[in-house]
Parts: sequence; C-alpha cells; structure tokens
Amino acid sequence: GENVEQHPSTLSVQEGDSAVIKCTYSDSASNYFPWYKQELGKGPQLIIDIRSNVGEKKDQRIAVTLNKTAKHFSLHITETQPEDSAVYFCAASSNTGFQKLVFGTGTRLLVSP
Amino acid sequence: DTAVSQTPKYLVTQMGNDKSIKCEQNLGHDTMYWYKQDSKKFLKIMFSYNNKELIINETVPNRFSPKSPDKAHLNLHINSLELGDSAVYFCASSPFAGNYGYTFGSGTRLTVV
Repeated sequence: GENVEQHPSTLSVQEGDSAVIKCTYSDSASNYFPWYKQELGKGPQLIIDIRSNVGEKKDQRIAVTLNKTAKHFSLHITETQPEDSAVYFCAASSNTGFQKLVFGTGTRLLVSP
Repeated sequence: DTAVSQTPKYLVTQMGNDKSIKCEQNLGHDTMYWYKQDSKKFLKIMFSYNNKELIINETVPNRFSPKSPDKAHLNLHINSLELGDSAVYFCASSPFAGNYGYTFGSGTRLTVV
C-alpha cells in the first residue's frame, strides 16, 4: 500500500521568511496530492491540492510542486506570518479502487514575530 | 451551518465501557470517513462509507463498528473501551469515492481512564 514520508517534523522560521515542507510517496499509481493545515483543537483543513497531470500550483502565498519521476511533492509558503503556525500534513491517494488518503506524519511550523 | 459536525467534542470514560460518536455532514457528499489521530498527530484511516455502503475497512479491532443510516450520517460505536483507544477521532466527507479533498469535522477527543 501507499506510504507517505514527510520532513521536517518541526520547522521554525522568522516572520517574512519562506518555509518548505517535503513529502515522498511510494505508490506510483498515486495521482492526487492534497495539503492540510491543522490548527490547535481543530480538524485538518484543505489548503491546496495538486493532481499528477500538473507540475506546480500556486494560490497567493502558498504553492505546491510535484515531481512524479522522483515521487515527491513539496509545499512552499512565502512571506510567512504568525497565523501560519500550525501542523501541516501532506497526503496522497490513487484512483486504484476506492480513494483512501494516506497522510504524512505532519510538520509543526512555528512562525516567530 | 457547520459542514461536518461531530458530537461529542470530548468524551472521558472508563475502561470496558461502550460509547458512540456521531457525525453528520450537510455538504451533500456521497462518501464519509473515520480517521484516528494518535498522540503523535499521526492520522490513520479506519473506515469509509459511500452512499451508506462500507467500502474501506482498515485493520481495526472489531470492537469498533461504524454505522451509516443515510449518506449524511456516519456514526462510530466502540465496545469494551481500552486505554489504547484514547485518541482524537475525526469524521470527514468527500463528494465522491474518488480523488477529491476531504472536509473534516473538528474531532472528538476520547480519553479512556
């Protein structure tokens, strides 16, 4: 089955810096890669996603890149703000059978003012 | 007008008891899920239902029994609770059993003492 690895587990940056979180997946049939943000005491919230027919997608300060050959994808946050502090999860799923999102282990991002 | 709502938000109970967690979504989605988040924040799928039909059943003890009376509701009943069942349980939904982002509920923190 699919296995998703995520790094780093914690990331501390200064406000205004960029942050990059990286994930690798094992199943070459995976074709959908969402990213979720989880704030304290809340459920994960979808912030951006990318499908395997696209190499990059951007939404304001966040962007995701996908390298299918290497089987890895990354989340980029520019001009970080304290409210970006949260736990971020990557995930992957394939169209083989029923969808099952397999999540990475999470990255705790701390943005200091 | 909460999209995915879970009750209760907190549940403290003694070992050996039986408890239920309820989930409802008002998004008109066909597919619903239960995920377990452990103390290290790892998110792991437990069950998935598509239009009231069980489609994913991961390796979960049979003390856990999901029930979907209709496609807007997915409840989780747990028998003979154990200390290791302590976790945060998230309900989620997606439009179809395909590659779409999930909408998560805010979680139920279960503590077994």
